[in-house]
Amino acid sequence: GAGVSQSPSNKVTEKGKDVELRCDPISGHTALYWYRQSLGQGLEFLIYFQGNSAPDKSGLPSDRFSAERTGGSVSTLTIQRTQQEDSAVYLCASSLRRGFGGELFFGEGSRLTVL
Amino acid sequence: AQSVTQLGSHVSVSEGALVLLRCNYSSSVPPYLFWYVQYPNQGLQLLLKYTSAATLVKGINGFEAEFKKSETSFHLTKPSAHMSDAAEYFCAVSERDDKIIFGKGTRLHILP
Repeated sequence: GAGVSQSPSNKVTEKGKDVELRCDPISGHTALYWYRQSLGQGLEFLIYFQGNSAPDKSGLPSDRFSAERTGGSVSTLTIQRTQQEDSAVYLCASSLRRGFGGELFFGEGSRLTVL
Repeated sequence: AQSVTQLGSHVSVSEGALVLLRCNYSSSVPPYLFWYVQYPNQGLQLLLKYTSAATLVKGINGFEAEFKKSETSFHLTKPSAHMSDAAEYFCAVSERDDKIIFGKGTRLHILP
């Protein structure tokens, strides 16, 4: 597709369940980011993939959060044993390449609600 | 590590008045700086960016921002506010090839 695609758009889950959120970046974009957006907290950086380099995981809030990017394209963000404070909109963005002063292209987000 | 501070989580201006949204950054190297906008029920989009060329950067919809190294600021301005400018605005910083870090955002309200 032409833009960044995220799925599911909405996810309601029970506390303690695992969830997977998917991001399909723009074709040819080597940089991929995950952010979390919640009220009053702005965009919180989670993780950054750049080409074949080791990902920058410095923003992951706990070891319940993990992400992978297969084949330099699709990425999955996994949250294990979800908690109510994980409720937020999870945004994925991609960028053409490192060092480009790159514009981020954002997906529509996955809204996660943990009951 | 780089960081961004946006002063004022909510700013209200009258239609036709000057818009000023404040952003201060911290970076150990010359930064790239960005402003993104999120209109109601829409995704984020780039408004403008500074990448070490001209210090006064012009963006879409009449917005501009000035990079001031001495003040570590990158404030966003528009001479005359329009109702359609109501949105949430995010300032962001990147240390060249590193990750892009966003501020907490400023919601702009336009008063008729």
